[in-house]
Formats: sequence, C-alpha cells, structure tokens
Amino acid sequence: NAGVTQTPKFQVLKTGQSMTLQCAQDMNHNSMYWYRQDPGMGLRLIYYSASEGTTDKGEVPNGYNVSRLNKREFSLRLESAAPSQTSVYFCASSEQRPQETQYFGPGTRLLVL
Amino acid sequence: GENVEQHPSTLSVQEGDSAVIKCTYSDSASNYFPWYKQELGKRPQLIIDIRSNVGEKKDQRIAVTLNKTAKHFSLHITETQPEDSAVYFCAAQKLVFGQGTRLTINP
Repeated sequence: NAGVTQTPKFQVLKTGQSMTLQCAQDMNHNSMYWYRQDPGMGLRLIYYSASEGTTDKGEVPNGYNVSRLNKREFSLRLESAAPSQTSVYFCASSEQRPQETQYFGPGTRLLVL
Repeated sequence: GENVEQHPSTLSVQEGDSAVIKCTYSDSASNYFPWYKQELGKRPQLIIDIRSNVGEKKDQRIAVTLNKTAKHFSLHITETQPEDSAVYFCAAQKLVFGQGTRLTINP
C-alpha cells in the first residue's frame, strides 16, 4: 500500500495563478483532510471531508476550494494564489472519524511569488 | 472554538534524560488527544494518543498524561535517544494542533 500520496511535491506560482493539489489514499478511509503548515504555527486545518460527497470548512478555508472526487481522492484548489498561501500543504486520512489516527501524505511545498 | 497552547517551543536535553512537553486546551468537550512526531522534512506521524476516559497511557519510553479538570495533557519521553530529535505536535479533538515543540537530544 502506498498510503497517502500527494502531487506535486513542489510548485512555484505567480500571484493570481491557479492550481490544484492532488491527494489520494489507498487505505479505504472515509475521512480526508487538508492542512497547511507554516513555521511556528503548527498544522492548521483548511477543509475536511467525512465521506464521499461531503466537505466542511476548517480553521483557515478562505482562498481555497476542495473536491472529494470519490472515496480515494480529495483535491485542494487555489483559484487565485496569493503570497500568504506560501506554505507546506499536507493531506491526511483517517478510517472513520477525526478522533482516530490520521495518516499524512508527504506534503506539497508551495511558493507564491 | 478550541484553542491549544503548547510549551515549550524548543527543548534541549542530554541523551538519556527525560523530556516533557505540555499542552493546554480550552474546550471541555474535547475527549481525544493525539501526539504527532515530525522529523525534518518528513510527514507528521502519530506516536501516541489518549482518550478522556483514562488518565495515563504508556508505550515503551513514551507516555501521555491527561488532567481533564485542569484541561492539560503532557507527553513524557524517558531515556531519550538521538532519534527522538524532532518536532512534536499535540492536538485536541477538533483537529486543532499546538504550535509544536522542537526537541533536540544532545549526545
């Protein structure tokens, strides 16, 4: 099993450009999450999906949209990137609920110029 | 909403000594408290978690204690080893993480 995979690993964008971060898991998990990690800020939840077809806002959703394409895939879209969105983005999944072990992907490092 | 405070932000200990990291939370309804370890350039990984129906949980050299009355929980690492050097994050139930503690083990 590959676990949780993310693409791309690294991306440079110009202000105003758009892009989609991809995440997939092969553990048959119901719940999936998107976090951003900034220095000294820990991990902050952007969006999560409790099941296919459902999504909910987290702590810092502004400037992002998500799609739970199917049970395996959960994508994060930046419609108009801003320098404040420079961060490392982690996708994670858990079997059923947030109150369980979360398995993280390797992360996507995003730089917005 | 939930607020999680983690202290200290950095911690340096001699190899073989113990390390303690503390987190406080604000929402008394929280009942799940995980700890994640993140090595440099790697993804976070769960190392231990505790639910509110127990006060302490141990796994070899790692233990977590929970005080629901005071709304704080702590990670204890005994007999520290160089491979324990990493950033440690606590979290509370509602997917709110602490700011992280950078632990350095000095040989």
